[in-house]
Parts: sequence; C-alpha cells; structure tokens
Amino acid sequence: SQELEQSPQSLIVQEGKNLTINCTSSKTLYGLYWYKQKYGEGLIFLMMLQKGGEEKSHEKITAKLDEKKQQSSLHITASQPSHAGIYLCGADILPGTYKYIFGTGTRLKVLA
Amino acid sequence: GAGVSQSPSNKVTEKGKDVELRCDPISGHTALYWYRQSLGQGLEFLIYFQGNSAPDKSGLPSDRFSAERTGGSVSTLTIQRTQQEDSAVYLCASSSFRPYEQYFGPGTRLTVT
Repeated sequence: SQELEQSPQSLIVQEGKNLTINCTSSKTLYGLYWYKQKYGEGLIFLMMLQKGGEEKSHEKITAKLDEKKQQSSLHITASQPSHAGIYLCGADILPGTYKYIFGTGTRLKVLA
Repeated sequence: GAGVSQSPSNKVTEKGKDVELRCDPISGHTALYWYRQSLGQGLEFLIYFQGNSAPDKSGLPSDRFSAERTGGSVSTLTIQRTQQEDSAVYLCASSSFRPYEQYFGPGTRLTVT
C-alpha cells in the first residue's frame, strides 16, 4: 500500500534558524495536507496543496508541492518556540474518496 | 463556530471491558473519520462515514471495533473486550465536501490497564 515518508523524524533547532521538513510519496498525490499537532492536542490544519508546483505561505511557514506531485516540503523561516510540535503530512491518494493516508510525523523542538 | 469535540478526553479502563468514545463533528460536515494514534506511530485510519453511504470500515483492526453515526452527525466508536494494545489516542475528524481538509477533535486518550 502507498505510504508517505516524512523526514526527518525529529528535529531540534535553535530559535531563529530556518528548517525544512519533507514528505515523499511513491505515487501521485491528489491533495497534500500539512497539519501541526501539539502534545496532547488534536491536529491543526495548516495548508492544502493540490496543483503541481503550488506554493502556499502562512506567516513564517511555506509549503510547496513539486511538479510531479510526489513530494512536498514545509519550510519554517526564523523558527520560534511556538513552532514546536509534531508536523504531519496527509494525502488524498484517490480523488473524491475522502480516504487519507498520513506520514509518521516530524517532531520539532525549538530551543530558546 | 464550534469545532469538532470528543468525549471523554481521557479514559482508563481495565482489560476486557467495553468502552465508547464519542465524536461531535462540525455542524454540516458530511464526512466523519476515526483515526488511532499510538505512541511513536503515525495516524492509523480506522473508519469513515460519508453522508448516507455505507461506511468504509476497512481500517478497523478487529471485529472488537465498531462505529456508528446517528442522524448524520454524532458518532460513537465502540471497542469491546479492550486489550492493552488498544491503548492509544483516538482522533475524530470531519470535513465538508469542499474543501477537503479535515478538522480534528482534541482526541480521546485511552489507557487499558
């Protein structure tokens, strides 16, 4: 079955540094979603990407979907302690089915 | 408006007991999902409901797990004869037909002792 691979699994950065998280699939993705989860809380939707080459930004977080729609990256600029948490990518692997798969997550810690 | 709510937030139960977990989706959302998140694992799809269609139960790990959605709104996930490996956070999410992004509840942390 198709899987989403995230890298790195965990990341510790100094406050103010930039960082990138990757999400890769072996098959075409019809929708790619980024979520953030804080410990003990539910997932918060960040962004959705659907078109090859698409890029979206929200505050200091930018997400891109490559032209082949098989890889997405999440980039945080000038990281802050508030960015800490688990970042999950999810994908709609079959259009219109509403059935998602998720990556295993990237645990981000930002040192003040 | 109100987001997805789940209850209880925490549940500790003895092995062999049955438990019921509740999810209240966002009003008007036609799709509802249940996921399980075990320590160090990603989200595991369990079941989803879409409108009045038959639910997709392909992710349920055993016949001890079942779920219902009454009136196209509230859903209950039932685990019978709980086992220690059932310990996890159970997340519920809902989405509208368009856009496709899901809105998650805070989860129910289930601990089976």
